[in-house]
Amino acid sequence: ILNVEQSPQSLHVQEGDSTNFTCSFPSSNFYALHWYRWETAKSPEALFVMTLNGDEKKKGRISATLNTKEGYSYLYIKGSQPEDSATYLCALRSGNTPLVFGKGTRLSVIA
Amino acid sequence: GAGVSQSPSNKVTEKGKDVELRCDPISGHTALYWYRQRLGQGLEFLIYFQGNSAPDKSGLPSDRFSAERTGESVSTLTIQRTQQEDSAVYLCASSPKTGVNTIYFGEGSWLTVV
Repeated sequence: ILNVEQSPQSLHVQEGDSTNFTCSFPSSNFYALHWYRWETAKSPEALFVMTLNGDEKKKGRISATLNTKEGYSYLYIKGSQPEDSATYLCALRSGNTPLVFGKGTRLSVIA
Repeated sequence: GAGVSQSPSNKVTEKGKDVELRCDPISGHTALYWYRQRLGQGLEFLIYFQGNSAPDKSGLPSDRFSAERTGESVSTLTIQRTQQEDSAVYLCASSPKTGVNTIYFGEGSWLTVV
């Protein structure tokens, strides 16, 4: 059974702070790593799909890096805003399996 | 519609009753997934359909759970004799095909078993 770990479980930051969180996964048989943002009462929204070791992706103030050899990905948010408050999920595709999700990091940005 | 549509959005049911949850995927998407999230847990894979291939049912937690899909269209997840531990948000997602493609989620069906 694939185990995708996310840390921290929850995070409170002040508006304007930059923050980051971690997704760890087994590096064997790696295929792709996905990041999603899930706001309350909405559908999870895709942020990034990453496939190559050393990949870096950016979308506005959010960016992500990937290390497939050591099995981790970091998500960074620069200058957090209240609208960034959400649960951030990472998910691993290994071989031909469906996405396996971590439990998420719940971010609260305080104005 | 443009996105994945799920119904009902909320359902409260009595323990022991059967429930049906419906998913309309994005038109043209051949892959369809069901996940659920129980309180305090991560998103848990239930089942996925890919075109005309046999569905991957490996995530269904018990034989009270079943799902069907009509061609590459609507899917129905059925839970028989619901239990309180079935309370969760049930999310449906679709994608053009398996592989590295992003999967697109609906807003979920929030099920409460009392």
